[in-house]
Order: sequence, then C-alpha cells, then structure tokens
Amino acid sequence: DAMVIQNPRYQVTQFGKPVTLSCSQTLNHNVMYWYQQKSSQAPKLLFHYYDKDFNNEADTPDNFQSRRPNTSFCFLDIRSPGLGDAAMYLCATSRALGWTGQYYGYTFGSGTRLTVV
Amino acid sequence: ILNVEQSPQSLHVQEGDSTNFTCSFPSSNFYALHWYRWETAKSPEALFVMTLNGDEKKKGRISATLNTKEGYSYLYIKGSQPEDSATYLCAFNRHGGATNKLIFGTGTLLAVQP
Repeated sequence: DAMVIQNPRYQVTQFGKPVTLSCSQTLNHNVMYWYQQKSSQAPKLLFHYYDKDFNNEADTPDNFQSRRPNTSFCFLDIRSPGLGDAAMYLCATSRALGWTGQYYGYTFGSGTRLTVV
Repeated sequence: ILNVEQSPQSLHVQEGDSTNFTCSFPSSNFYALHWYRWETAKSPEALFVMTLNGDEKKKGRISATLNTKEGYSYLYIKGSQPEDSATYLCAFNRHGGATNKLIFGTGTLLAVQP
C-alpha cells in the first residue's frame, strides 16, 4: 500500500544534541509538510516543500531545518534541541492543488514523538 | 492570526450514543475544510474534505456539514462504538497558493465506553 512512513516512532535526545527525524513516501506526492504538535495544542506547520522549493513558516525557529534530497524523502533536523522542542512531529504529503481545481487532502505518517532530556 | 477552534475539547459517551462536535474557522477567503480521525499510535486518517457552502458528506455512521458564510462545520457520529474512540481534528485551508497549507484545531478527544 502506498503510504507515508516516519522513523523513528520515538526518539529520545539529549539537550543540545543534534537530531534528525525522517519521513518517506511512496505516493509520489509533490508536497511534503512537517508539523509540530505540543501537548494539548494544535499541530503547527513548521515548513513544507513543493517539489524542491523549500517554504519556511515565518515563526519557525532557526533551530529547525529541513532537507528533501528527492521526491520520496524529507528530513527534519533540529540543530540544538531544547526542552521546549519536545513534541510529536508529523509528516504529511499531498498533491499540489491542480490546474483543474481538483482538491486533495493530506496523507499523514504516524508521527515521531521526541523527548529531550 | 488565523484560528481554528474546536469544541468540546473532550467527550465521554456510552456505546450507542450519538454525538457531535463543532469546528469554527475564519469565514473570509475560505478554500476548504478537512476532518481527520487520529487514533492513538496510528496516522491521522482523512474523513472528509469539504469545499462548498452547504456541503454534507457521509461515511458510514459519520457525517459532516459545512457553513462557510458563518464559519463552522459540524461532525456527527450516530450510534457511537468503542472503535470510534479517537481525536477528531479539523483543519482549514485559506484560499491562495498551490501548496494546500492547513491550519489545524486542537481536536476533540472522543472516548466511547462499552
């Protein structure tokens, strides 16, 4: 089945130690998103890629970076994790809104729960 | 700041009860409204995507309505079952751009007791 896979499911990292979360897709969707969800809060968009074009949200801290080496993979790098970065990180994909106006929803991965110690 | 509000925050019902939740969103520049179901340890799963004022969608015992002029959507579950226990997220897409950026609410956590 075509899907979005996130690894690892749980990640524990030390304060200040760089960490990378990964996301892969078999759907060939051209848009990939990273959302951060802290406890009891709404998922918040950090950034997205439209093909190779990177789009950062204005309030995403510089500590968060992303790479998309090809259509299938996207990585979230946290350069110096702080205690406040502990959260669920969700990757999602979608097709871009089509010229015909056809509209697509998201396909999500199951998330990576990050703990910072 | 665009906010999507969901209520209630959580809901506990008995098996067989019918229930409904509300999602409020900005009514200007509306493009689409999504509902997702997110079960523990699984991926959020798309339930409905609605784009037109007055849209009604149905999937088994679950249905949703949309009012874009007043900025709200209702999700209904008829005859709740324990397997309906999940967090229900709504998300709003404002018009503009090809990349389908969604703004999410905090979700409604539904617990259905046998």
